[in-house]
Amino acid sequence: AQSVTQLGSHVSVSEGALVLLRCNYSSSVPPYLFWYVQYPNQGLQLLLKYTSAATLVKGINGFEAEFKKSETSFHLTKPSAHMSDAAEYFCAVSDSTGTYKYIFGTGTRLKVLA
Amino acid sequence: DAGITQSPRHKVTETGTPVTLRCHQTENHRYMYWYRQDPGHGLRLIHYSYGVKDTDKGEVSDGYSVSRSKTEDFLLTLESATSSQTSVYFCAISVLAGADTQYFGPGTRLTVL
Repeated sequence: AQSVTQLGSHVSVSEGALVLLRCNYSSSVPPYLFWYVQYPNQGLQLLLKYTSAATLVKGINGFEAEFKKSETSFHLTKPSAHMSDAAEYFCAVSDSTGTYKYIFGTGTRLKVLA
Repeated sequence: DAGITQSPRHKVTETGTPVTLRCHQTENHRYMYWYRQDPGHGLRLIHYSYGVKDTDKGEVSDGYSVSRSKTEDFLLTLESATSSQTSVYFCAISVLAGADTQYFGPGTRLTVL
């Protein structure tokens, strides 16, 4: 069975500082991995996804994530936080077996301090 | 933005009443999903559909049923609403499954008193 663990339900960073949001997954088959962002009172929108091509994936708004199979991780980073990055971030996993199911993590709320 | 609408956007109802939430898409995507979002739980899949009249259960399907009679509409019904079903409900769509991006609707906030 697949699962996703996001470490830290709340993360605070100063504006201009590095953003690091952690995601570890469990999957018995090669996974597909996603990061979504949710702004207040909105639905989720895709930041980036890994689908077995390059292990370093670049997304929108300056975010990127690296797939590390040996560590079963897919951490999200951004070199310099902006106030507009304040939101909730969700990691998700699906697989290639055709089950059509995506498993989401419990989310990390990012706060950016001025 | 993907053309996904959800109705109603807000609803307050009483325990024991049936409730139907509607998801409508203009993208002609094959796959549609219903999730609920609760603090500390992230998003949990309730039901999904892989075509007209083709649906299957997700991880939290008890107390919910779905129907899809047209490609564009996916209905979620709470047969007899309970307070534990107070949540924010999101619909999502995708062209394919697995590696494909899911596009989310704006959500429906449901309160069961």
